[in-house]
Amino acid sequence: NAGVMQNPRHLVRRRGQEARLRCSPMKGHSHVYWYRQLPEEGLKFMVYLQKENIIDESGMPKERFSAEFPKEGPSILRIQQVVRGDSAAYFCASGQELKRYTFGSGTRLTVV
Amino acid sequence: TQLLEQSPQFLSIQEGENLTVYCNSSSVFSSLQWYRQEPGEGPVLLVTVVTGGEVKKLKRLTFQFGDARKDSSLHITAAQPGDTGLYLCAGAGGSEKLVFGKGTKLTVNP
Repeated sequence: NAGVMQNPRHLVRRRGQEARLRCSPMKGHSHVYWYRQLPEEGLKFMVYLQKENIIDESGMPKERFSAEFPKEGPSILRIQQVVRGDSAAYFCASGQELKRYTFGSGTRLTVV
Repeated sequence: TQLLEQSPQFLSIQEGENLTVYCNSSSVFSSLQWYRQEPGEGPVLLVTVVTGGEVKKLKRLTFQFGDARKDSSLHITAAQPGDTGLYLCAGAGGSEKLVFGKGTKLTVNP
């Protein structure tokens, strides 16, 4: 029973490029959550999705960031025109209820 | 805005010692979770506490949720080098998102 799978584990992008981060939830989980962890900071909520629906995107920056969770395939967090401040570890979690999150190993994005 | 303050930020102790880390807020949470995170990995859930005053034990780890559901503590007995890691508390406030503290970085020296 595979856990939450995130890829890539490491991603390097030049300023202005696009970053696509993928998350496949645990089998049977239909809820996906994205969090961002900056150095020396705790995790900050970004967005909560269910299949084909964005439920809560209150933590998403207003520009350049978008997320989707299609009927088929992984959830995608997309960052357009990346800037150095986007460098962080991005974690995806899945669960059927809030009290039983399982996190993936994260994608470490470095913008150069 | 709900905030969780964790203390201490860093803790370095010798194997066999006991320790307590704290998680405090001015806000009430419906539940509180503790995670451990190792370098390069995602957080791993240790425990969820739901009821004010609740105490949960996980081997040498004891978790307590404050009576008013605003604070929590994690006590480790006879710490071992394998306990080294970043300990994060996270609160749920009625929505489907967690508010995380910045964590306590624990180092247990052999």
